[in-house]
Amino acid sequence: GAVVSQHPSRVICKSGTSVKIECRSLDFQATTMFWYRQFPKQSLMLMATSNEGSKATYEQGVEKDKFLINHASLTLSTLTVTSAHPEDSSFYICSARGSFGTEAFFGQGTRLTVV
Amino acid sequence: AQTVTQSQPEMSVQEAETVTLSCTYDTSESDYYLFWYKQPPSRQMILVIRQEAYKQQNATENRFSVNFQKAAKSFSLKISDSQLGDAAMYFCAYRRVAGSAYNQGGKLIFGQGTELSVKP
Repeated sequence: GAVVSQHPSRVICKSGTSVKIECRSLDFQATTMFWYRQFPKQSLMLMATSNEGSKATYEQGVEKDKFLINHASLTLSTLTVTSAHPEDSSFYICSARGSFGTEAFFGQGTRLTVV
Repeated sequence: AQTVTQSQPEMSVQEAETVTLSCTYDTSESDYYLFWYKQPPSRQMILVIRQEAYKQQNATENRFSVNFQKAAKSFSLKISDSQLGDAAMYFCAYRRVAGSAYNQGGKLIFGQGTELSVKP
């Protein structure tokens, strides 16, 4: 299957700082990327959908100014958590899908801890 | 809006035995995809099996098979000859057939998950 690489796998940042998470499709062109948040023992909650070259579409209740998503190329999308607070601590997962693919491929996830 | 429901938060199976995980969904669409994903302790999401709604035949992948009942909107996963490595969280997911490459029809809607433990 196709490979999606997410980096970093773990990050600890201080409250008030920003942190960027990268999601790369290594062997296919990802026209659409999805960003999820997952709390322990819970399901994946979709935060936003991004199409290459377009603004991301955020799910209801997700703060656009706090979670900045950029999908500037067909192989890279980034999620920036701005002015992070302890309540932003969570597991963030990206997935990517090609133009005519049925399946979305997932990154390894990023565990964010805000102290 | 489409919803996916997994009513079994936890399941347990003896090694080498068979277990069935339940999933129901609600949609007004006639064509869509259904998936089962496995999330082991590493938290990497792994696709287990996929079913296209227009196909009447149930999908099968080695020890994994589904029972797709379109009229009942039911999509259960059967794991045969369970192995210790099958222990994980399992998520059922629904996706509309995307009308184009650039719409949200591609987003997955996940169930709450079922945590499967395998006893040696």
